[in-house]
Amino acid sequence: ILNVEQSPQSLHVQEGDSTNFTCSFPSSNFYALHWYRWETAKSPEALFVMTLNGDEKKKGRISATLNTKEGYSYLYIKGSQPEDSATYLCAAPRGSARQLTFGSGTQLTVLP
Amino acid sequence: KAGVTQTPRYLIKTRGQQVTLSCSPISGHRSVSWYQQTPGQGLQFLFEYFSETQRNKGNFPGRFSGRQFSNSRSEMNVSTLELGDSALYLCASSPFHGSSGTSGRYEQYFGPGTRLTVT
Repeated sequence: ILNVEQSPQSLHVQEGDSTNFTCSFPSSNFYALHWYRWETAKSPEALFVMTLNGDEKKKGRISATLNTKEGYSYLYIKGSQPEDSATYLCAAPRGSARQLTFGSGTQLTVLP
Repeated sequence: KAGVTQTPRYLIKTRGQQVTLSCSPISGHRSVSWYQQTPGQGLQFLFEYFSETQRNKGNFPGRFSGRQFSNSRSEMNVSTLELGDSALYLCASSPFHGSSGTSGRYEQYFGPGTRLTVT
Protein backbone atom coordinates (compact mmCIF):
# COMPACT_ATOMS: atom_id res chain seq x y z
CA ILE A 1 0.00 0.00 0.00
CA LEU A 2 1.36 3.39 -1.03
CA ASN A 3 1.23 5.80 1.91
CA VAL A 4 1.08 9.51 1.07
CA GLU A 5 0.80 11.90 3.99
CA GLN A 6 0.32 15.65 4.14
CA SER A 7 0.76 18.19 6.89
CA PRO A 8 -0.63 20.28 8.29
CA GLN A 9 -4.25 19.25 7.80
CA SER A 10 -5.36 22.90 7.76
CA LEU A 11 -3.76 26.29 7.83
CA HIS A 12 -5.04 29.82 8.28
CA VAL A 13 -2.79 32.67 7.17
CA GLN A 14 -3.16 36.39 6.66
CA GLU A 15 -3.14 37.93 3.20
CA GLY A 16 0.44 38.65 2.23
CA ASP A 17 1.95 35.90 4.38
CA SER A 18 4.09 33.24 2.81
CA THR A 19 3.37 29.66 3.71
CA ASN A 20 4.44 26.13 3.01
CA PHE A 21 3.21 22.61 3.55
CA THR A 22 4.62 19.14 3.30
CA CYS A 23 3.91 15.92 1.44
CA SER A 24 5.62 12.69 2.51
CA PHE A 25 5.78 9.59 0.37
CA PRO A 26 7.76 6.34 0.25
CA SER A 27 11.26 7.04 -1.02
CA SER A 28 11.73 3.54 -2.41
CA ASN A 29 10.65 2.96 -6.02
CA PHE A 30 9.85 6.64 -6.49
CA TYR A 31 8.29 7.42 -9.85
CA ALA A 32 6.60 10.83 -9.69
CA LEU A 33 4.86 13.22 -7.34
CA HIS A 34 1.80 15.28 -8.32
CA TRP A 35 0.44 18.45 -6.71
CA TYR A 36 -3.17 19.55 -7.24
CA ARG A 37 -5.19 22.53 -6.04
CA TRP A 38 -8.87 22.01 -5.30
CA GLU A 39 -11.00 25.08 -4.78
CA THR A 40 -14.47 24.75 -3.33
CA ALA A 41 -17.12 23.99 -5.96
CA LYS A 42 -14.47 23.50 -8.64
CA SER A 43 -12.50 20.57 -10.06
CA PRO A 44 -9.04 19.65 -8.80
CA GLU A 45 -6.47 21.43 -10.94
CA ALA A 46 -2.97 20.14 -11.61
CA LEU A 47 -0.16 22.37 -10.36
CA PHE A 48 2.97 20.30 -10.85
CA VAL A 49 4.23 16.85 -11.69
CA MET A 50 7.70 16.32 -10.29
CA THR A 51 9.96 13.49 -11.26
CA LEU A 52 13.61 14.24 -10.44
CA ASN A 53 15.32 14.52 -7.09
CA GLY A 54 16.08 18.17 -6.47
CA ASP A 55 13.34 19.29 -8.89
CA GLU A 56 12.03 22.76 -8.24
CA LYS A 57 8.99 23.95 -10.15
CA LYS A 58 7.27 27.32 -10.11
CA LYS A 59 3.94 28.69 -11.27
CA GLY A 60 3.43 32.33 -10.39
CA ARG A 61 3.66 32.66 -6.61
CA ILE A 62 3.52 28.90 -6.05
CA SER A 63 6.59 26.72 -6.12
CA ALA A 64 7.43 23.17 -5.12
CA THR A 65 10.56 21.22 -4.30
CA LEU A 66 11.23 17.51 -4.29
CA ASN A 67 13.52 15.27 -2.27
CA THR A 68 13.14 11.70 -3.44
CA LYS A 69 15.92 10.31 -1.23
CA GLU A 70 14.14 11.29 1.97
CA GLY A 71 10.63 11.08 0.52
CA TYR A 72 9.18 14.57 0.83
CA SER A 73 8.01 17.52 -1.22
CA TYR A 74 7.30 21.06 -0.08
CA LEU A 75 4.77 23.40 -1.63
CA TYR A 76 5.39 27.11 -1.07
CA ILE A 77 3.06 30.02 -1.61
CA LYS A 78 4.63 33.45 -1.56
CA GLY A 79 2.50 36.43 -0.56
CA SER A 80 -0.75 34.47 -0.09
CA GLN A 81 -3.92 35.97 -1.52
CA PRO A 82 -7.54 35.12 -0.65
CA GLU A 83 -7.88 33.42 -4.05
CA ASP A 84 -5.20 30.93 -2.95
CA SER A 85 -7.70 29.52 -0.45
CA ALA A 86 -8.15 25.88 -1.46
CA THR A 87 -7.24 22.35 -0.52
CA TYR A 88 -3.80 21.38 -1.80
CA LEU A 89 -3.38 17.71 -2.55
CA CYS A 90 -0.32 15.70 -3.37
CA ALA A 91 -0.47 12.30 -5.02
CA ALA A 92 1.88 9.55 -6.09
CA PRO A 93 1.28 7.08 -8.88
CA ARG A 94 1.57 3.38 -8.16
CA GLY A 95 4.65 2.61 -10.15
CA SER A 96 4.37 3.94 -13.66
CA ALA A 97 0.58 3.58 -13.77
CA ARG A 98 -1.90 6.45 -13.71
CA GLN A 99 -3.38 5.08 -10.50
CA LEU A 100 -2.82 7.98 -8.09
CA THR A 101 -2.77 7.64 -4.33
CA PHE A 102 -3.72 10.98 -2.81
CA GLY A 103 -2.80 12.44 0.53
CA SER A 104 -5.58 13.81 2.70
CA GLY A 105 -4.75 17.37 1.68
CA THR A 106 -3.88 20.66 3.36
CA GLN A 107 -6.80 23.07 3.56
CA LEU A 108 -5.48 26.61 3.24
CA THR A 109 -7.56 29.63 4.22
CA VAL A 110 -6.14 33.06 3.45
CA LEU A 111 -7.79 35.77 5.52
CA PRO A 112 -8.10 39.26 3.99
CA LYS B 1 -10.39 22.80 -25.61
CA ALA B 2 -13.47 21.85 -23.65
CA GLY B 3 -12.70 20.36 -20.25
CA VAL B 4 -13.76 17.05 -18.78
CA THR B 5 -17.51 16.82 -18.44
CA GLN B 6 -19.52 14.58 -16.16
CA THR B 7 -23.22 13.83 -16.09
CA PRO B 8 -25.34 13.99 -14.12
CA ARG B 9 -23.96 16.47 -11.62
CA TYR B 10 -26.27 15.39 -8.82
CA LEU B 11 -28.12 12.18 -8.22
CA ILE B 12 -30.27 10.77 -5.44
CA LYS B 13 -30.86 7.03 -5.31
CA THR B 14 -32.20 4.58 -2.77
CA ARG B 15 -30.43 1.58 -1.31
CA GLY B 16 -30.43 -1.43 -3.58
CA GLN B 17 -30.76 0.54 -6.79
CA GLN B 18 -28.07 0.83 -9.39
CA VAL B 19 -26.60 3.95 -10.96
CA THR B 20 -24.61 4.84 -14.07
CA LEU B 21 -22.38 7.90 -14.24
CA SER B 22 -20.89 9.29 -17.42
CA CYS B 23 -17.62 11.03 -18.20
CA SER B 24 -16.44 12.67 -21.41
CA PRO B 25 -12.68 13.31 -21.45
CA ILE B 26 -10.81 16.18 -23.04
CA SER B 27 -10.65 15.72 -26.79
CA GLY B 28 -7.61 13.62 -27.65
CA HIS B 29 -7.21 12.13 -24.18
CA ARG B 30 -7.55 8.38 -24.24
CA SER B 31 -7.14 7.59 -20.56
CA VAL B 32 -10.01 8.03 -18.11
CA SER B 33 -9.67 7.39 -14.39
CA TRP B 34 -12.41 7.38 -11.77
CA TYR B 35 -12.07 8.44 -8.14
CA GLN B 36 -14.38 8.43 -5.15
CA GLN B 37 -14.19 11.24 -2.63
CA THR B 38 -15.71 10.88 0.83
CA PRO B 39 -15.06 12.97 3.94
CA GLY B 40 -13.60 10.04 5.82
CA GLN B 41 -11.46 8.44 3.11
CA GLY B 42 -10.44 11.31 0.90
CA LEU B 43 -9.85 10.75 -2.79
CA GLN B 44 -9.58 7.07 -3.64
CA PHE B 45 -8.81 5.51 -6.99
CA LEU B 46 -11.51 3.30 -8.48
CA PHE B 47 -10.21 2.30 -11.90
CA GLU B 48 -8.60 3.52 -15.09
CA TYR B 49 -9.57 2.83 -18.68
CA PHE B 50 -7.41 3.23 -21.72
CA SER B 51 -8.32 2.17 -25.25
CA GLU B 52 -11.54 0.57 -23.98
CA THR B 53 -9.62 -1.68 -21.56
CA GLN B 54 -9.44 -1.47 -17.80
CA ARG B 55 -5.75 -0.97 -17.02
CA ASN B 56 -5.76 -0.48 -13.27
CA LYS B 57 -8.24 -1.16 -10.50
CA GLY B 58 -8.43 0.14 -6.96
CA ASN B 59 -9.57 -1.69 -3.88
CA PHE B 60 -13.34 -1.52 -4.35
CA PRO B 61 -15.94 -4.29 -4.40
CA GLY B 62 -17.18 -5.81 -7.64
CA ARG B 63 -20.36 -3.71 -7.39
CA PHE B 64 -18.27 -0.94 -8.91
CA SER B 65 -17.63 -1.41 -12.60
CA GLY B 66 -16.93 0.68 -15.62
CA ARG B 67 -16.38 0.71 -19.31
CA GLN B 68 -14.95 2.90 -22.01
CA PHE B 69 -16.25 3.44 -25.49
CA SER B 70 -14.34 3.86 -28.73
CA ASN B 71 -14.67 7.66 -28.50
CA SER B 72 -12.96 7.47 -25.05
CA ARG B 73 -16.12 8.40 -23.16
CA SER B 74 -16.44 6.34 -20.02
CA GLU B 75 -19.24 5.17 -17.78
CA MET B 76 -19.12 3.95 -14.24
CA ASN B 77 -21.79 1.71 -12.77
CA VAL B 78 -22.55 0.93 -9.17
CA SER B 79 -24.99 -1.87 -8.52
CA THR B 80 -26.92 -2.63 -5.34
CA LEU B 81 -26.23 0.77 -3.84
CA GLU B 82 -25.35 1.06 -0.18
CA LEU B 83 -25.55 4.11 2.08
CA GLY B 84 -21.75 4.18 2.17
CA ASP B 85 -21.63 4.75 -1.58
CA SER B 86 -22.77 8.32 -1.03
CA ALA B 87 -19.85 10.34 -2.30
CA LEU B 88 -18.50 12.69 -4.94
CA TYR B 89 -17.37 10.70 -7.96
CA LEU B 90 -14.70 12.37 -10.04
CA CYS B 91 -13.35 11.33 -13.37
CA ALA B 92 -10.08 12.51 -14.80
CA SER B 93 -8.59 12.27 -18.23
CA SER B 94 -4.95 12.18 -19.12
CA PRO B 95 -2.98 12.50 -22.33
CA PHE B 96 -1.01 9.59 -23.65
CA HIS B 97 2.24 10.04 -25.49
CA GLY B 98 3.81 6.77 -26.44
CA SER B 99 5.19 4.35 -23.89
CA SER B 100 2.81 3.36 -21.14
CA GLY B 101 5.83 3.21 -18.89
CA THR B 102 5.68 6.97 -18.45
CA SER B 103 1.95 7.31 -17.91
CA GLY B 104 2.21 8.12 -14.20
CA ARG B 105 4.13 11.27 -15.08
CA TYR B 106 1.26 12.96 -16.87
CA GLU B 107 -1.05 15.23 -14.97
CA GLN B 108 -4.70 14.37 -14.76
CA TYR B 109 -7.49 16.73 -15.72
CA PHE B 110 -10.52 16.39 -13.49
CA GLY B 111 -14.18 16.88 -14.21
CA PRO B 112 -16.61 18.66 -11.88
CA GLY B 113 -17.82 15.41 -10.36
CA THR B 114 -21.15 13.72 -9.75
CA ARG B 115 -22.53 14.03 -6.25
CA LEU B 116 -24.33 10.77 -5.45
CA THR B 117 -26.58 10.55 -2.42
CA VAL B 118 -27.93 7.16 -1.41
CA THR B 119 -30.91 7.18 0.95
